Amino acid sequence: GQNIDQPTEMTATEGAIVQINCTYQTSGFNGLFWYQQHAGEAPTFLSYNVLDGLEEKGRFSSFLSRSKGYSYLLLKELQMKDSASYLCAVRDGDYKLSFGAGTTVTVRA
Amino acid sequence: IAGITQAPTSQILAAGRRMTLRCTQDMRHNAMYWYRQDLGLGLRLIHYSNTAGTTGKGEVPDGYSVSRANTDDFPLTLASAVPSQTSVYFCASSVELAGGNEQFFGPGTRLTVL
Repeated sequence: GQNIDQPTEMTATEGAIVQINCTYQTSGFNGLFWYQQHAGEAPTFLSYNVLDGLEEKGRFSSFLSRSKGYSYLLLKELQMKDSASYLCAVRDGDYKLSFGAGTTVTVRA
Repeated sequence: IAGITQAPTSQILAAGRRMTLRCTQDMRHNAMYWYRQDLGLGLRLIHYSNTAGTTGKGEVPDGYSVSRANTDDFPLTLASAVPSQTSVYFCASSVELAGGNEQFFGPGTRLTVL
């Protein structure tokens, strides 16, 4: 099976930066996704990495190191609306997506 | 219809009953998926479909079946529901199974089996 690990919870202050780490061990690799999920809602797409390096998209950035089986999602200038679960998902050699359990981020004023 | 829809929104079901969860998308996506989400376990793939007429098993397929008669619809059937199938079920779709195509998720169905 696939193994995807991310921290369960993180807390940060409004305006700060938070980094959510994700490590994975999968059968093959065809890309890594980050999704945001607010309580009681559906996941929504944030970012996609398939090559090593940093992808920046506004306040959110995602980094990938395939050799280390490691990714992180960086949230800058945190806002209250960023309080949500962040899901790391890896697409394996069969193109199926496996999700981590998610990291709940709480932003405090 | 805009995007991907699921029905019902929520359902309470007696154990042993048959139940079909409906999923429809209007984006002409080839690939569709069913996940269940349980606290502490994250999203787990139940079944998927690469294109109309084909289906495949995911990580937790036992007790579930799917069909893909056309591009738009991907129903999930529980033949004889059991309490361990209590969960939130999400349907998703993407342009293709491969590539950098993000999956779009429906609003979910909250199912309780008693």
